[in-house]
Amino acid sequence: DAGVTQSPTHLIKTRGQQVTLRCSPKSGHDTVSWYQQALGQGPQFIFQYYEEEERQRGNFPDRFSGHQFPNYSSELNVNALLLGDSALYLCASSLRHSGANVLTFGAGSRLTVL
Amino acid sequence: QKEVEQDPGPLSVPEGAIVSLNCTYSNSAFQYFMWYRQYSRKGPELLMYTYSSGNKEDGRFTAQVDKSSKYISLFIRDSQPSDSATYLCAMSGGDSSYKLIFGSGTRLLVRP
Repeated sequence: DAGVTQSPTHLIKTRGQQVTLRCSPKSGHDTVSWYQQALGQGPQFIFQYYEEEERQRGNFPDRFSGHQFPNYSSELNVNALLLGDSALYLCASSLRHSGANVLTFGAGSRLTVL
Repeated sequence: QKEVEQDPGPLSVPEGAIVSLNCTYSNSAFQYFMWYRQYSRKGPELLMYTYSSGNKEDGRFTAQVDKSSKYISLFIRDSQPSDSATYLCAMSGGDSSYKLIFGSGTRLLVRP
């Protein structure tokens, strides 16, 4: 049973560019959340998607946007990249009724902004 | 002040030691408390999940929650080198029902 899969695993961008990260949830899960983890820090909540709609959003600017597709997979888009956007971006999936509590995380996409 | 505080370590112990990891928090609305383990270059993996106050045991791991003190702990008995990882506490509840609030993580090294 495949867990959460994310792509790409690593990528390097320059300031001002745009990036799209992709996530396939664990089989049977219908909710996808995205987290940003800076080096040496805990993950920070970006947003959660359920039924193709953003259900809750953390303290991230509008440069961060997302999408959920009918098959529950999701994308995270970041525009106008800043050096401070360099981080590990984690996707987590869950079942709607579990709220935030039982998340399965992917291995992450490591973004470096130069 | 962060909502969740966690000592970053690193914490270095000999194999077989009992390890104690702790977090404090400020939001009294938190009701769900979790511990995640994160190996280098991997995503966090759920270890323990507790609702409200009390203790929960799973093999060598024991999680404790003291809501009156806003303090949670994870104990690891008979620690093994394979337990070397970063341990993240996480919480949810109240306005944070759809998101987890994480501590910054404690790096643990178990020496053979």
